[in-house]
Amino acid sequence: EADIYQTPRYLVIGTGKKITLECSQTMGHDKMYWYQQDPGMELHLIHYSYGVNSTEKGDLSSESTVSRIRTEHFPLTLESARPSHTSQYLCASRRGSSYNSPLHFGNGTRLTVT
Amino acid sequence: AQKITQTQPGMFVQEKEAVTLDCTYDTSDPSYGLFWYKQPSSGEMIFLIYQGSYDQQNATEGRYSLNFQKARKSANLVISASQLGDSAMYFCAMRETNRDDKIIFGKGTRLHILP
Repeated sequence: EADIYQTPRYLVIGTGKKITLECSQTMGHDKMYWYQQDPGMELHLIHYSYGVNSTEKGDLSSESTVSRIRTEHFPLTLESARPSHTSQYLCASRRGSSYNSPLHFGNGTRLTVT
Repeated sequence: AQKITQTQPGMFVQEKEAVTLDCTYDTSDPSYGLFWYKQPSSGEMIFLIYQGSYDQQNATEGRYSLNFQKARKSANLVISASQLGDSAMYFCAMRETNRDDKIIFGKGTRLHILP
């Protein structure tokens, strides 16, 4: 039973379109993360948040933006999609107050930009 | 900059044998945590085991154990008595407390268990 939800599961969109990938969690976790992963490859951190109204960029240069207005919601937006954005996007969350709390992952959004 | 290195892109192991997956890390933060995740072909990320930098003992969870050598900055995952269902990608990840819990992953190791 998933406690972290990502929508849509699959998305095919044309170049230049604006898209928002949704991520919500019901666990009350304060830390949330977005990773980009090509199939079978490493996870690249693109954004993370340690609480409401706090966001940071990860190591992978990204043209996306995020917001954290509510604890449970951490959407990722691409203002103008390009074929290079084709990938899987994984959202994750964890309880920051517990040092050994693991990341809980959503099922991912597989994005294809044509 | 923090860094995670997994030097084995792929491994083939006979069923029922033990297997060690290597992970080395680099950080200047004295407080950090190390995670191992399994990703089967279905794509979900499954948490396996955690080791904190101040933990005195190596972590164990069922057939999984972590060989933590702090001075060498290594945190190798050991899977005992491997099973066919262990075939998957395995990722090592590190959290740094002083970086607002930023968590980064290594490139992963693809493990194949042979019958």
